[in-house]
Amino acid sequence: SQQGEEDPQALSIQEGENATMNCSYKTSINNLQWYRQNSGRGLVHLILIRSNEREKHSGRLRVTLDTSKKSSSLLITASRAADTASYFCAPGGGADGLTFGKGTHLIIQP
Amino acid sequence: DTEVTQTPKHLVMGMTNKKSLKCEQHMGHRAMYWYKQKAKKPPELMFVYSYEKLSINESVPSRFSPECPNSSLLNLHLHALQPEDSALYLCASSQQLRSGNTIYFGEGSWLTVV
Repeated sequence: SQQGEEDPQALSIQEGENATMNCSYKTSINNLQWYRQNSGRGLVHLILIRSNEREKHSGRLRVTLDTSKKSSSLLITASRAADTASYFCAPGGGADGLTFGKGTHLIIQP
Repeated sequence: DTEVTQTPKHLVMGMTNKKSLKCEQHMGHRAMYWYKQKAKKPPELMFVYSYEKLSINESVPSRFSPECPNSSLLNLHLHALQPEDSALYLCASSQQLRSGNTIYFGEGSWLTVV
């Protein structure tokens, strides 16, 4: 699998605001996954989007995928303190495990 | 039950000790993984097992020895570790070793080598 590059590396917003983070990758993929990691905990799968999908929703999460630009975005709406975490994308992974980039470290300020 | 259970949660060991980390899942998954995560770094893949056979070893030093006794269990045997091996060790599993499979992670074992 290839490593995605998340941007920004750090993001601090006020509670209730929306948070957007991006992921870029280098080679064509069949799918892309997003994971969340709260400090010192295991990673939690958030959403998977396939290459034939442009947008996918799950609760307050919206993920887009632009295969022509080799990029994906994760939008968290109406952020909460519990959303404070690191967010990782995993492009095309699974056949040989997942490789993670540096992630986006999101802080929700009260 | 979408749970991967890791024990112990915390482990302190000396450089001459032999210890093991354990991981268990009862989701019927046939792929299991060990990751290592240092502070403020992303998880790094160490080993992958598929159908109880070692499929991937990411050039991990031999002082780390994985074992998959059956489809539900994964162990990581530790011997003669160095202080720089102190990290969070994450176990994970997925249905199979296939692109697009969701990977489920345990909460990790914090290892301190003194």
